[in-house]
Amino acid sequence: SAVISQKPSRDICQRGTSLTIQCQVDSQVTMMFWYRQQPGQSLTLIATANQGSEATYESGFVIDKFPISRPNLTFSTLTVSNMSPEDSSIYLCSVVRTGGGGDTQYFGPGTRLTVL
Amino acid sequence: EDKVVQSPLSLVVHEGDTVTLNCSYEVTNFRSLLWYKQEKKAPTFLFMLTSSGIEKKSGRLSSILDKKELFSILNITATQTGDSAVYLCAAARPGNTPLVFGKGTRLSVIA
Repeated sequence: SAVISQKPSRDICQRGTSLTIQCQVDSQVTMMFWYRQQPGQSLTLIATANQGSEATYESGFVIDKFPISRPNLTFSTLTVSNMSPEDSSIYLCSVVRTGGGGDTQYFGPGTRLTVL
Repeated sequence: EDKVVQSPLSLVVHEGDTVTLNCSYEVTNFRSLLWYKQEKKAPTFLFMLTSSGIEKKSGRLSSILDKKELFSILNITATQTGDSAVYLCAAARPGNTPLVFGKGTRLSVIA
């Protein structure tokens, strides 16, 4: 398994501000993934964070809105910029570990963001 | 386009009932299928299935994969209120790529 920590665990923010979410993994991983889960919805992949290069964003997500840093193989940050109430979601970081016959994806505890 | 479809989307049962959750997939270069339970925020890993016909079991939960028909089921016997959660099914592809998730089945177990 993987031990993943995220902070903050929750936050309430004002419209127009930005929040940076941190994700720390207990050992080195090549890729880290950032997901969003809006109320009542399933997980949506925002981007894949690669160490030493720019993140790869999924359709509908842009770097200006969700800048990502990946300074080393155990840490990443996701910033939600210029927030609006529509950004209220749970944000999750995730990593893939190989073992037991296949790849298993593990998730951090999540950050619950509420934008007023 | 790769996709994973779960059914039903939601389910309400009484304690003690047995439930079966369904997951079908169409994924290029499919490698394995995973089940997660999501109660509050983060999904927690339940099972990974790579071979057809081999049941994985953990307590009252069990799961099996059919790679010919491209589906998996998750069974929960003697359900308890603590089983109430969203159950997510996801397909894994080779390499360090993210999973393809279904929309989940929301299970509510009432006393």
